[in-house]
Amino acid sequence: SAVISQKPSRDICQRGTSLTIQCQVDSQVTMMFWYRQQPGQSLTLIATANQGSEATYESGFVIDKFPISRPNLTFSTLTVSNMSPEDSSIYLCSVATGEVGQPQHFGDGTRLSIL
Amino acid sequence: AQSVTQLDSHVSVSEGTPVLLRCNYSSSYSPSLFWYVQHPNKGLQLLLKYTSAATLVKGINGFEAEFKKSETSFHLTKPSAHMSDAAEYFCVHKAAGNKLTFGGGTRVLVKP
Repeated sequence: SAVISQKPSRDICQRGTSLTIQCQVDSQVTMMFWYRQQPGQSLTLIATANQGSEATYESGFVIDKFPISRPNLTFSTLTVSNMSPEDSSIYLCSVATGEVGQPQHFGDGTRLSIL
Repeated sequence: AQSVTQLDSHVSVSEGTPVLLRCNYSSSYSPSLFWYVQHPNKGLQLLLKYTSAATLVKGINGFEAEFKKSETSFHLTKPSAHMSDAAEYFCVHKAAGNKLTFGGGTRVLVKP
């Protein structure tokens, strides 16, 4: 399966600032996704990162708050903008081939704390 | 809409005893189902997958799961727990278009 690297692995940020998280894959993949995992919770899909076009956001998530880039088939970024303590979460990227029945594979996540 | 219910938020077992993690799903068609494990400060690692082949699926680290359509269940088991199995486990349904629905997770504690 693909090797997925996320940077940074963790960060502590001040409220009102923004942080960009990077996701790098060691092979070309069709689909990339960004998830949020709030403390003690399961994962929630933020958006699907589409190569060469705007990301597709899930209900409750907007581009102004979570802008996403996907310049090629191996790389994506998620920015968490104008952060507040409620944004303290683990942010994970995942990748998939798009083939029926095949799983998504996840990076190790970025652990973000907002003071 | 699909839903995934993990019946136990916490499971505590003694080392060397069996582990059972329960998962029920709702789906109007033949599902793709997965179990993932998340160790502390790590991402999600795939344990096993069901994709309409054999109903008993073997995964990594001695885990297996049985798909029972009549019960809409996909329970995860391991005959003998190890200390390294202490982690959070997620049952996941994949719909067409690659959209994943996660169960709420089950935290496993292994006592020596």
